[in-house]
Amino acid sequence: NAGVTQTPKFRVLKTGQSMTLLCAQDMNHEYMYWYRQDPGMGLRLIHYSVGEGTTAKGEVPDGYNVSRLKKQNFLLGLESAAPSQTSVYFCASSVAGGEAYEQYFGPGTRLTVT
Amino acid sequence: AQKITQTQPGMFVQEKEAVTLDCTYDTSDPSYGLFWYKQPSSGEMIFLIYQGSYDQQNATEGRYSLNFQKARKSANLVISASQLGDSAMYFCAMRGGSQGNLIFGKGTKLSVKP
Repeated sequence: NAGVTQTPKFRVLKTGQSMTLLCAQDMNHEYMYWYRQDPGMGLRLIHYSVGEGTTAKGEVPDGYNVSRLKKQNFLLGLESAAPSQTSVYFCASSVAGGEAYEQYFGPGTRLTVT
Repeated sequence: AQKITQTQPGMFVQEKEAVTLDCTYDTSDPSYGLFWYKQPSSGEMIFLIYQGSYDQQNATEGRYSLNFQKARKSANLVISASQLGDSAMYFCAMRGGSQGNLIFGKGTKLSVKP
């Protein structure tokens, strides 16, 4: 039982390049989230999904796209990376969306855009 | 809109002493959950403790307890008998609403001195 895993752990991109971050969970959770963490800030929600085939925008969605084709996977795409997207990206999942449900976090992906 | 405020950017505590990390929140939802996460220098997000808005008693988990004062909208984390391994960033977060995502504060960096 690996929990929530993220691929890759580190990545350096040049401005304008594209990439996809993969999040996978093996807990059969319905809800999945992508957050970003910038220095001196807490985590902020980029996009989220309440089930397979669904996605929705969070607080800071610009410049990102997501897909949830399989229940266990949630992909975050950067079509044209910008230096402002340099950040640590966390994926999380939970059984449901109720306020009592714990969110389980992946280890994070550190992305640098030069 | 929901908001979490952590007013202590950094805190120092002597090993074996207790420390309180402050957290205040703002929400119009009648039902919500409050969480504390620990983020060590390695970067992962570690769940510590949860308090539901309707819980009558303060939550406790080992050396962690949550001082929940609903009328004052505060949810302070108390760590008893601090250990060197407690040195980390601590984030207060709230969950509520239809999205089910967590709203994070900016965090408090705790340093435990030997």
